[in-house]
Amino acid sequence: DAGITQSPRHKVTETGTPVTLRCHQTENHRYMYWYRQDPGHGLRLIHYSYGVKDTDKGEVSDGYSVSRSKTEDFLLTLESATSSQTSVYFCAISENRGLAGNTIYFGEGSWLTVV
Amino acid sequence: KQEVTQIPAALSVPEGENLVLNCSFTDSAIYNLQWFRQDPGKGLTSLLLIQSSQREQTSGRLNASLDKSSGRSTLYIAASQPGDSATYLCAASTNAGNMLTFGGGTRLMVKP
Repeated sequence: DAGITQSPRHKVTETGTPVTLRCHQTENHRYMYWYRQDPGHGLRLIHYSYGVKDTDKGEVSDGYSVSRSKTEDFLLTLESATSSQTSVYFCAISENRGLAGNTIYFGEGSWLTVV
Repeated sequence: KQEVTQIPAALSVPEGENLVLNCSFTDSAIYNLQWFRQDPGKGLTSLLLIQSSQREQTSGRLNASLDKSSGRSTLYIAASQPGDSATYLCAASTNAGNMLTFGGGTRLMVKP
């Protein structure tokens, strides 16, 4: 298994509070991603990073911010959590870019409930 | 915008049967297509990756094919086993950053 650790794995928080999810990798992969998985919508990309301090938006980035100060860590922050952000969040990593693409590895997920 | 569809959403088969899962995509300009397995409450595990220049990939009892012109990929599972029960997702990458667009998945149950 790829060395990806997500924390926390489960969290319940109140509407309006800030929440930070952490993804830590031991593979030294360049690319890191945050996805959310919801019934009826499948997996959707929130933000991704292509290097330290290099990030970009995905399909559903509103209400989320990210930071990557070290190769191994990618943080996802919900500045003011809303009930619509109740979801399962997956971190993923891949080795490098290019036309060929590379296998992408997923973490175990973080279950977030906003009440 | 790329859209990926998987049909059927759920499938139940008896053990030993060969089966095919379908994946279709709207934008044929893909870099690669990947198939994943997801067990309940778990993350995704990559099964097969097909580069845009390839027609198929094989791993054990699994064979994935890619037809870019028709916007289709199939995952063939030979001699299915109860341990194959899981949700199978396909995902297409349409840029060099390997950002994926996922289908909704097919939930497979293999009955003993």
